[in-house]
Amino acid sequence: GAVVSQHPSRVICKSGTSVKIECRSLDFQATTMFWYRQFPKQSLMLMATSNEGSKATYEQGVEKDKFLINHASLTLSTLTVTSAHPEDSSFYICSARVPAGRGEQYFGPGTRLTVT
Amino acid sequence: KQEVTQIPAALSVPEGENLVLNCSFTDSAIYNLQWFRQDPGKGLTSLLLIQSSQREQTSGRLNASLDKSSGRSTLYIAASQPGDSATYLCAAMDSSYKLIFGSGTRLLVRP
Repeated sequence: GAVVSQHPSRVICKSGTSVKIECRSLDFQATTMFWYRQFPKQSLMLMATSNEGSKATYEQGVEKDKFLINHASLTLSTLTVTSAHPEDSSFYICSARVPAGRGEQYFGPGTRLTVT
Repeated sequence: KQEVTQIPAALSVPEGENLVLNCSFTDSAIYNLQWFRQDPGKGLTSLLLIQSSQREQTSGRLNASLDKSSGRSTLYIAASQPGDSATYLCAAMDSSYKLIFGSGTRLLVRP
């Protein structure tokens, strides 16, 4: 099946710094990728839709200037958390949509961000 | 706005039991309905995908049904095993391929 990777798997950063998370589709081209965040014992909340070659579409309540998304190629999307605060600490998960088919999305293993 | 609800929030059963997890959604205009498994601290594993035109899908000991008119889906797990212990998430996909997740059911299968 299709494989999606994320890097890093864990990151600890200090308040005020920026951190970049990468999402890669390893064996297929993904014109659309999605970014989610998940708080402890809660479900996934869609943050934004990332389309290759165009600006990301953010969900209501998600600050686009804080969560910068770049989908520069058909296999790579990045999420940069700028000026991180402790409340940004969360589990961030990406998914990549298979272009054809039934709308399947394949999920990355997630990135645990801790802001101190 | 689509809302997805899962009942129960947590479930503990002895090994070997058959069990049913419930999912309901408010907007019946879905593209598909998906069930995922999530182990602690891990990403999601896709279990079953039911297209909006389908009524059910089966994979091994898992069977998922979909009733669009009533806004409900169920995941049936037969002969549960301790390895089935995880959080099970259902998600409704809309026509723009966005997934709206339920809050999950945490399942514990006791040996």
